[in-house]
Amino acid sequence: QKEVEQNSGPLSVPEGAIASLNCTYSDRVSQSFFWYRQYSGKSPELIMSIYSNGDKEDGRFTAQLNKASQYVSLLIRDSQPSDSATYLCAVRSYKLSFGAGTTVTVRA
Amino acid sequence: DVKVTQSSRYLVKRTGEKVFLECVQDMDHENMFWYRQDPGLGLRLIYFSYDVKMKEKGDIPEGYSVSREKKERFSLILESASTNQTSMYLCASSSEPYEQYFGPGTRLTVT
Repeated sequence: QKEVEQNSGPLSVPEGAIASLNCTYSDRVSQSFFWYRQYSGKSPELIMSIYSNGDKEDGRFTAQLNKASQYVSLLIRDSQPSDSATYLCAVRSYKLSFGAGTTVTVRA
Repeated sequence: DVKVTQSSRYLVKRTGEKVFLECVQDMDHENMFWYRQDPGLGLRLIYFSYDVKMKEKGDIPEGYSVSREKKERFSLILESASTNQTSMYLCASSSEPYEQYFGPGTRLTVT
């Protein structure tokens, strides 16, 4: 079982819609959770971090964490073409483990 | 803003050459990391360091070594480059709680 699992996509959403990305993790003692955005040919950029159960909002992004279900998600509201990228979920237990990423395409 | 820089964006080396990849961060972070990223395999941790002169193996350390003589600088060394080390190499740094900030990456091609 992979430590961090994400659907690879591609996830295609129309402009203005909500994009919903999911991530599950295997280590119950995981403490910190992160979402990175990676544009093609570029390095990952940290966009969200979440440490406790519930929702955390930052602009058009909302991260949701459910430790009991070992599940973390990212919602992108009012999706824009500039949101087209690969989104990496990262989970910290004794080290930081990355998922393989979900590719999002926003259709104009 | 955190700034992590890497010595080269693109590098082409021959099989058997010794390769040095340098990474510098300007935020006084204790922790520094080297990853490689390959299509379908995601980000894989090669080595990390949590202090000067300290290093820890990651998931795929074979064929690599590292050096951290100063807090801001972390070097990745390929002792004898091989074609299967062709990849994108990413350096990252962090303080607690492990929010890692990445450099722009070095795309290494070994021919």
